[in-house]
Parts: sequence; structure tokens; C-alpha cells
Amino acid sequence: EAQVTQNPRYLITVTGKKLTVTCSQNMNHEYMSWYRQDPGLGLRQIYYSMNVEVTDKGDVPEGYKVSRKEKRNFPLILESPSPNQTSLYFCASSFVRGGYEQYFGPGTRLTVT
Amino acid sequence: TQLLEQSPQFLSIQEGENLTVYCNSSSVFSSLQWYRQEPGEGPVLLVTVVTGGEVKKLKRLTFQFGDARKDSSLHITAAQPGDTGLYLCAGYSNDYKLSFGAGTTVTVRA
Repeated sequence: EAQVTQNPRYLITVTGKKLTVTCSQNMNHEYMSWYRQDPGLGLRQIYYSMNVEVTDKGDVPEGYKVSRKEKRNFPLILESPSPNQTSLYFCASSFVRGGYEQYFGPGTRLTVT
Repeated sequence: TQLLEQSPQFLSIQEGENLTVYCNSSSVFSSLQWYRQEPGEGPVLLVTVVTGGEVKKLKRLTFQFGDARKDSSLHITAAQPGDTGLYLCAGYSNDYKLSFGAGTTVTVRA
């Protein structure tokens, strides 16, 4: 089954404790991205990657890091989480940037206290 | 960043009624997409419209792209409880950047 998986689905952590949210896709997609979703603001892109070892900032990259060492994986790293990073996070993938068929993961709800 | 405004923000209707959700921008998009998102899940693509004035139908859902490619609408005929969800519009600019609206929460009461 074609899918994007994320782990964990739910995470409660404290300010400053480094965390990683994993994302994996099994569709051999080149393009992957991370979004955060906040009430009234919609989905905002954090980072994206057009291929292995190629990453770039989206609209709200501050406080986040990413890496793309393998085509299928695109982890999101919060080195020092803060309460304003409490949000619902989605990983997405498509064959190429601008590809019409974009697949989203199930989401990770992060709470930083 | 291009701004996509969706209206209304919330919509609650009775089963069998019709509804329309709007997506407007001051910017031109090369294409526009509609997604539906259910609680605890990621957005799922419903349709992509590419040509100004284009109308696409998927069963009871009708999508329209404005002639100037700045706006779009989603119309649901005879809504059912299974249509309940968050509807998101998203537009691609010419540099392949995808911008999302804030969404319209639709509740269809049985």
C-alpha cells in the first residue's frame, strides 16, 4: 500500500529536550516536505527536499532542522523545542516538486510544555 | 507568501442540503487543489483544477476554477454525514510553491 508514515503520532515533551519526528514514504518519491498546521493558519511549510541531500527552507523554518540521507526518509528535528512549536505536524511526498499527487502522512501532534 | 482565504470558516448543515465553500486570492495560481481532512488523519487530495473556468465533477462534488485563476469553489449536492470534514484549498504558484488556505470545517448532521 502506498503510504507516508510518521512516528510518533503523539508526543508531549518539555522545553529544550531535543526530539526527532520520523517520516518515511514507500512510493519512491523525490520530493518530500514538512508542514505544521495551526488553527486559523492552515498548513505552513517548514522545510522541503527535492532529492537526497537537497533540502531548503519553507515559510516557517526557524527552530527546525531536517536531513535527507535516504530517498525514503525525511526526519524533522527540533533541537531545543519551545512552547510555540506546539502544533500538528504533517509530512508529505510527491514524485517531484509541483507534482499534483501529493500524499500526506497521518500527522504528529506535538505538545511542548 | 500568497494568501488564500476560505469562507465560510465553519458550516453546519442538515443531511440532504447543498453547500458551497469558497477559496479566494488576490494572486494568480497555475493550478488549485482541494483536499479533505478528517480528524486524526492527513489531508487527502480531492481534485486539481488547472485551466481558468474549468469545472470538474466528482459524484456529488463540483469544483470550479475562476476564469482569472484567482479563486475557486467547491459545491456539494445533497450532503451526507460522510462529507463531514475540514476542506482545504491550496494553490500552486508558477515557482511550484504550494500555499494553503486555513480551511472550512463542514459538519453534516444526520
